[in-house]
Amino acid sequence: QSALTQPPSASGSPGQSVTISCTGTNSDVGGYDHVSWYQQHPGKAPKLMIYGVTKRPSGVPDRFSGSKSGNTASLTVSGLQAEDEADYYCCSYAKTDTSHVVFGGGTKLTVL
Amino acid sequence: QLQLQESGPGLVKPSETLSLTCSVSGGSISDSDYHWAWIRQPPGKGLEWIASVFRSGVSSYKPSLKSRVTISVDTSKNQFSLKMTSVTAADTAVYYCVRETGGASDYWGQGTLVTVSS
Repeated sequence: QSALTQPPSASGSPGQSVTISCTGTNSDVGGYDHVSWYQQHPGKAPKLMIYGVTKRPSGVPDRFSGSKSGNTASLTVSGLQAEDEADYYCCSYAKTDTSHVVFGGGTKLTVL
Repeated sequence: QLQLQESGPGLVKPSETLSLTCSVSGGSISDSDYHWAWIRQPPGKGLEWIASVFRSGVSSYKPSLKSRVTISVDTSKNQFSLKMTSVTAADTAVYYCVRETGGASDYWGQGTLVTVSS
């Protein structure tokens, strides 16, 4: 069981927008602005898409955006394209007895 | 361009120790304020953060793995390493080494598959 909760699947048609949620607790998502999102295509290493809740690394299209409200973070993909079909993972800094990092279980995004 | 490369045995016997090394090129571990971490992914499953280390050797661990895992850094070789003891089939996974900042991993190695089997 993953520390952060994501829906197992999401889908949308080309050009549409899709939002993937990531729910944690006050000890991780809700307590720190260190939420990141990763895209993973089959057989490839994950790629950082969003960090610091809302920031995009250089080269990531502005179709990808992140937000957070309370203990839930979200990734929105606007103007869906075929190449956006992939697995998406959220991640957060966490602190309970010790500091560490936790991942969500992943969401399979299908472009219909 | 920063590059990370994992190395180590692809097959480990149950109850033995898994040892992996990550070689960093295109940048120096000792010159930066980043953390260096290991993340794994069992076949067909999600990502799992294992541990991270700073250039000083200060480390953090996933609580449920802490008793079996040691992460270390060798700045003279520009490498960091992972040791995991008493492995079982559940430790079979692709192991990635990454550069980490604020909990986000911006550079990843290609990953190495470690299979635990007799």
